[in-house]
Amino acid sequence: SQQGEEDPQALSIQEGENATMNCSYKTSINNLQWYRQNSGRGLVHLILIRSNEREKHSGRLRVTLDTSKKSSSLLITASRAADTASYFCATRDKGTYKYIFGTGTRLKVLA
Amino acid sequence: DADVTQTPRNRITKTGKRIMLECSQTKGHDRMYWYRQDPGLGLRLIYYSFDVKDINKGEISDGYSVSRQAQAKFSLSLESAIPNQTALYFCATSDIGQGELANTGELFFGEGSRLTVL
Repeated sequence: SQQGEEDPQALSIQEGENATMNCSYKTSINNLQWYRQNSGRGLVHLILIRSNEREKHSGRLRVTLDTSKKSSSLLITASRAADTASYFCATRDKGTYKYIFGTGTRLKVLA
Repeated sequence: DADVTQTPRNRITKTGKRIMLECSQTKGHDRMYWYRQDPGLGLRLIYYSFDVKDINKGEISDGYSVSRQAQAKFSLSLESAIPNQTALYFCATSDIGQGELANTGELFFGEGSRLTVL
């Protein structure tokens, strides 16, 4: 079964709005990462948050991590049509250092 | 040139055929991974290798085998392909990191190999 589960599975918003995606996971983690995938392409790393961090920013991205609830959220502010993609969370398993991916959120930003 | 290169990018084959997907990287990373992506299931780990002499099974290794020919090369084989192995396959690499960055590195992905088994 998947370590991470993203919510919602799909999200459609207007350009300029904010997009929030959530990720839940099951085990103890070393860190949590978010990746972006344009249709049919390879995944690209967006941001990493360590297990001892609660919030991190990178440009228009804001990530939060709540280890007590085993959940994370990714906020994209002032979205653009070019942000249309699938977004995946990935957790770094503390015991084995494997990366486990969630099922992804498909974001569509309408111009 | 891409840092992580996968070949072939697209392949159509028949049930029972042997297929090899190849991955090479120029990033100098020790760790390499093979993932499979299916719609609605996200990415699932097939095999991973932390160095040339270290090969480990992932979540869904049945029906697959791998070979780590060198630090830069990691191949995935389907000995006898079946239709439910139709998927998009990704190779990825990561660095070990040092000190505070140890074991925290990001994954670098290839562009994927789309395999269709008829």
